[in-house]
Amino acid sequence: NAGVTQTPKFRILKIGQSMTLQCTQDMNHNYMYWYRQDPGMGLKLIYYSVGAGITDKGEVPNGYNVSRSTTEDFPLRLELAAPSQTSVYFCASSKQGISNQPQHFGDGTRLSIL
Amino acid sequence: TQLLEQSPQFLSIQEGENLTVYCNSSSVFSSLQWYRQEPGEGPVLLVTVVTGGEVKKLKRLTFQFGDARKDSSLHITAAQPGDTGLYLCAANPTGGGADGLTFGKGTHLIIQP
Repeated sequence: NAGVTQTPKFRILKIGQSMTLQCTQDMNHNYMYWYRQDPGMGLKLIYYSVGAGITDKGEVPNGYNVSRSTTEDFPLRLELAAPSQTSVYFCASSKQGISNQPQHFGDGTRLSIL
Repeated sequence: TQLLEQSPQFLSIQEGENLTVYCNSSSVFSSLQWYRQEPGEGPVLLVTVVTGGEVKKLKRLTFQFGDARKDSSLHITAAQPGDTGLYLCAANPTGGGADGLTFGKGTHLIIQP
C-alpha cells in the first residue's frame, strides 16, 4: 500500500518559473490537503479538497493553484515562483473530513527558488 | 498569533530521562492530535485525544487532554534515541475537520545515547 506519493522529492527553480507538484493517493480518500512547512514555523494549510471537482483556499493560498479532477490526484501549481515559496511541501489525505480522523502525509517535496 | 503554542521549542536530554512537552491554546477543541515527524519524512499520527481529561498511553508515551480541552501534554518515560524527532500537535480550529488542521510549531526532541 503506497499511501500518499509526492513527486518530485527535490527541485530547484529560478524566480519566475512555474512548476507542478504532484500528489497521488491510493486509499480512495475524498479529503486531500496541501501544506507548506518552513523552518521553525510548523505546517500551514495552502489548499484543500473535499472531493473530486471541489477545492478551497486554506491559510496561505496566494501564489498557488490546485485542481482535483480525480479522487486520486491533487496537484499543486506554482505559476510564478518567488523566493518566499522556498519551503517543504506536504500533501495529505484523510478518509473522512472529521477533526479526529488521521491525516496521512507524503514524504514531501523540497523546493528551492533561487 | 499562534493558535497552538508548543513548548519547549527544543529539548535535548540523555537516554533514560523523562520529559514532558506541552501544547497550549486559548481555544477549545473538539479533538487534538499529536504527530511525530522524522527528517526527510512527513508527519505520522501518534494519537488523537477527544474527551476532556482523557489520558492515552502508547508504550512509553503518555498523552493527556486538558479538562477544558484547550491544552495537551506528551510525557515520555525513559526516553530512547529512537524517540528523537519533531513532535507536532494539531487541531481543527473550526471543529469540523474537512478544512484541514492547524499545527503548532513543534518541539524538536533529541535523545542522546
